[in-house]
Amino acid sequence: DGGITQSPKYLFRKEGQNVTLSCEQNLNHDAMYWYRQDPGQGLRLIYYSQIVNDFQKGDIAEGYSVSREKKESFPLTVTSAQKNPTAFYLCASSISVAGPYEQYFGPGTRLTVT
Amino acid sequence: AQSVTQLGSHVSVSEGALVLLRCNYSSSVPPYLFWYVQYPNQGLQLLLKYTTGATLVKGINGFEAEFKKSETSFHLTKPSAHMSDAAEYFCAVASGGSYIPTFGRGTSLIVHP
Repeated sequence: DGGITQSPKYLFRKEGQNVTLSCEQNLNHDAMYWYRQDPGQGLRLIYYSQIVNDFQKGDIAEGYSVSREKKESFPLTVTSAQKNPTAFYLCASSISVAGPYEQYFGPGTRLTVT
Repeated sequence: AQSVTQLGSHVSVSEGALVLLRCNYSSSVPPYLFWYVQYPNQGLQLLLKYTTGATLVKGINGFEAEFKKSETSFHLTKPSAHMSDAAEYFCAVASGGSYIPTFGRGTSLIVHP
């Protein structure tokens, strides 16, 4: 089955620790995205990547970092600089950013930082 | 710049009643419009999308939406609600300026038996 996997589903960390969220896709998509979802705020774009070894900041990139060393993988690191990291994080992919293509979403990772 | 406004953070209907979820967009160029559905603790799934052509778009699970340029709207409807339709619904807009969609805040659909 083609799709996007995110792991783990739930993640708990202490304040001040960096944490990395995994995202893998086997859809052969060029573009990948990270969104943050908070109640009543919809989805906000953190980072996106058009192609391997390239990524761009989204609307709320501060306190986050990403890498795209392989086409299939787009991990997100939530750093200790992120002031309010507790949220639901969604990874998505699409064929390309060069057209109005459907985004395919993973099941999400719920991060709780205390 | 592009933006989306979803009117009503919660919409409550009875099973069998009409579902109407409202979405208005702002875009300086012709828009591409999407509706996604999210079930609890899951990712989003595409219901339908408008790119060009016919303004009435049919999607999965009996949903449809109509693009009305004069009203800058893309409301989602379903003639008869099922309990299984209870979920969060997101409208999104993309455009030639940026094909990366901008999402609305979402509308939670509650279906009463």
